[in-house]
Amino acid sequence: DQQVKQNSPSLSVQEGRISILNCDYTNSMFDYFLWYKKYPAEGPTFLISISSIKDKNEDGRFTVFLNKSAKHLSLHIVPSQPGDSAVYFCAAPSNTGNQFYFGTGTSLTVIP
Amino acid sequence: DAGVIQSPRHEVTEMGQEVTLRCKPISGHDYLFWYRQTMMRGLELLIYFNNNVPIDDSGMPEDRFSAKMPNASFSTLKIQPSEPRDSAVYFCASSLNEGRLPQHFGDGTRLSIL
Repeated sequence: DQQVKQNSPSLSVQEGRISILNCDYTNSMFDYFLWYKKYPAEGPTFLISISSIKDKNEDGRFTVFLNKSAKHLSLHIVPSQPGDSAVYFCAAPSNTGNQFYFGTGTSLTVIP
Repeated sequence: DAGVIQSPRHEVTEMGQEVTLRCKPISGHDYLFWYRQTMMRGLELLIYFNNNVPIDDSGMPEDRFSAKMPNASFSTLKIQPSEPRDSAVYFCASSLNEGRLPQHFGDGTRLSIL
């Protein structure tokens, strides 16, 4: 059973516009979330994280929003650039903190 | 700094053959994870080790899968006998001994079982 879900397998956005990638989770005990970015033929790399004590965390063009009541988080990329084209995974660690549950990923294409 | 190193990058073999995937974690990392990526299920955790000891192998799909970590710098994931449904990309990742630090992934092994 997927504890972390990404219901949009793909997203296309024009360069310069905002990209919004969504993630839902089922376990209300999750208190920390991460986004990873994956290029083809490479492993995922860490992008940004958020703790449940916050509802927003920003790092340059990337902002993650957390809505605990809805068990929903989103990653905003603005402005989107062609180099942002990749698969984005959201993830949450288990209560022990040493396992990670990953979503199925959203493939973002930024069109020049 | 060298990252997580996986070998081979690609493996094509026939059904029934034994497959061994290899991983060298980042030096000093206490945790090592094996994942499988498929279109349907995304990244699934198969097994993870702490200080070379397997902690949770509940994600290992069948007895055909086994993993070992004989020392801090090497781990293997073995499939014997292999089946076409095992075709996927297998990732190894490592992390420091703190649960909130991100995992560092290798570039994966693309496995095709014919």
